[in-house]
Amino acid sequence: RKEVEQDPGPFNVPEGATVAFNCTYSNSASQSFFWYRQDCRKEPKLLMSVYSSGNEDGRFTAQLNRASQYISLLIRDSKLSDSATYLCVVNGDNYGQNFVFGPGTRLSVLP
Amino acid sequence: DVKVTQSSRYLVKRTGEKVFLECVQDMDHENMFWYRQDPGLGLRLIYFSYDVKMKEKGDIPEGYSVSREKKERFSLILESASTNQTSMYLCATGGKDSKYTEAFFGQGTRLTVV
Repeated sequence: RKEVEQDPGPFNVPEGATVAFNCTYSNSASQSFFWYRQDCRKEPKLLMSVYSSGNEDGRFTAQLNRASQYISLLIRDSKLSDSATYLCVVNGDNYGQNFVFGPGTRLSVLP
Repeated sequence: DVKVTQSSRYLVKRTGEKVFLECVQDMDHENMFWYRQDPGLGLRLIYFSYDVKMKEKGDIPEGYSVSREKKERFSLILESASTNQTSMYLCATGGKDSKYTEAFFGQGTRLTVV
């Protein structure tokens, strides 16, 4: 089983749609969780950290369920500029020395 | 503003050449990482370093070595480049207490081995 798994995608949605991405992780000792966004041929950039209580940043909402080892990202009112690959990232071990990346889910927002 | 800089954006090397990929950060971060990213495989950790002169193998260290002589610089070395090392290489940094802080990436080096 892979350490971090994500919806395989791709997701093709119309502008204005709401889209949700799911991610599961296998290491119950993981301490921190992130969503990154990666545009084609560019480096990943932090979209948002994910906190236990859930957190929101404008149109983006992240949720964490430690008991189920599950993370989600919800994007409301999708824009064309949201088209990218979304990476779920988990801090991989107790010593905080390693980030483990999911394979990514590609989103295309269509006009 | 955070800066993680990789020495080259694009690189073409011949099979058997020794290749150096350099990464420099101005974050004063203890932890530095080298990943490679391939279609369908995502980001895979090659090596990481949590202090000067310290290094740890990641998931796919074979064919690679690293050097960290100074805190701000982490080098990835391909001792004898092979075509299966054609990939996008990404350097990242993280603070000492990386449990709670995110990773910052360089712009990536797209290496082609011919």
